[in-house]
Amino acid sequence: AQSVTQPDIHITVSEGASLELRCNYSYGATPYLFWYVQSPGQGLQLLLKYFSGDTLVQGIKGFEAEFKRSQSSFNLRKPSVHWSDAAEYFCAVGATGHSGGYQKVTFGTGTKLQVIP
Amino acid sequence: SQTIHQWPATLVQPVGSPLSLECTVEGTSNPNLYWYRQAAGRGLQLLFYSVGIGQISSEVPQNLSASRPQDRQFILSSKKLLLSDSGFYLCAWSVRASASYEQYFGPGTRLTVT
Repeated sequence: AQSVTQPDIHITVSEGASLELRCNYSYGATPYLFWYVQSPGQGLQLLLKYFSGDTLVQGIKGFEAEFKRSQSSFNLRKPSVHWSDAAEYFCAVGATGHSGGYQKVTFGTGTKLQVIP
Repeated sequence: SQTIHQWPATLVQPVGSPLSLECTVEGTSNPNLYWYRQAAGRGLQLLFYSVGIGQISSEVPQNLSASRPQDRQFILSSKKLLLSDSGFYLCAWSVRASASYEQYFGPGTRLTVT
């Protein structure tokens, strides 16, 4: 079974500073990896995804993530954080599902990002 | 484009009362549908998923049930709510049998059981 670990529950960065959110996964085969963002009281929005190919993937809102198989990691980065980036971020891994086309996606417990002026 | 709706947005219900949360998807056909519950600091817990009308699978035993009466409608129910049912409920959909595994989420329902 797959699993996802986000070791940082809460991170605070200054506006304009760079950001890196950590994600480690466990899965026996090549994983499907995602980052989602959730603003307070809202649903989750997909930021970016990795399936195969280039290990550095670009997403929306200026985010990028790098897949490192040797480290089982998929860290999310942004060169310069804006106050509007304050939210909770979830890493997720998808795996071969059950019959009928079901896709099982396992989510991490999230990292809350606080941005200070 | 596809959109996913959930209602109500917020709900306060007494213990022992019934529950019905609704989720509908527009702009796609034959989606996989999912119900998640989110508790503070615990991420998302998959409750139910459905790959077709009337086909429901449960991931965890609980006080809740789900139904899919139409292709793009997914309902979460309970006959008698417990305090532990409080939480933020998210509905999601994905393209059936897609290799991409992307799930798209609705705005959620905040349920408080008092």
